[in-house]
Amino acid sequence: AQSVSQHNHHVILSEAASLELGCNYSYGGTVNLFWYVQYPGQHLQLLLKYFSGDPLVKGIKGFEAEFIKSKFSFNLRKPSVQWSDTAEYFCAVNAHNQGGKLIFGQGTELSVKP
Amino acid sequence: NAGVTQTPKFQVLKTGQSMTLQCAQDMNHNSMYWYRQDPGMGLRLIYYSASEGTTDKGEVPNGYNVSRLNKREFSLRLESAAPSQTSVYFCASSTSGQGWETQYFGPGTRLLVL
Repeated sequence: AQSVSQHNHHVILSEAASLELGCNYSYGGTVNLFWYVQYPGQHLQLLLKYFSGDPLVKGIKGFEAEFIKSKFSFNLRKPSVQWSDTAEYFCAVNAHNQGGKLIFGQGTELSVKP
Repeated sequence: NAGVTQTPKFQVLKTGQSMTLQCAQDMNHNSMYWYRQDPGMGLRLIYYSASEGTTDKGEVPNGYNVSRLNKREFSLRLESAAPSQTSVYFCASSTSGQGWETQYFGPGTRLLVL
């Protein structure tokens, strides 16, 4: 069965620190990859996604992620976090033959100290 | 344009009671989804509807039923609630159920089963 693993459950950073959140998946075929974010009191929303082309994808609010196929990874990065980035971040994977079904990771709670 | 709406926002049930969670979208999307979110487990797909008139099981369908009432509405029913169904339930929709599409989420329903 497919699975998604996010290694960090809770990350605490100071403003201006760099961020990298890990995401690994287990599926040998072609995948679509997503990062969703849930800000406090808000709906879950798309941060960025990869489905083809350049494996380095850029999303909203200065976030980017790199798809490394050989490592089954899709890590999320931001060079300098802000207090407003405090949220829960979810990695999700879709296998090409699974329609719109998403498999989510456990989530990483990010707390940014001002 | 309200996006995806869910009712109720919060519900307390006793074991064995039944209830229906309602979801509606106004984006003319064909595909709709129900997820549950539990601490440390991310979101797990319960059921989805690729298009009006079709429904399929996700990862964790046991104890639930769904109805795609029309293109806009997709309801989730708990026939006999159990404490293990205490969770936050999210509805989502996407354009046509293709794996690379963004899913748009509702605000969630927080359910407590005593």
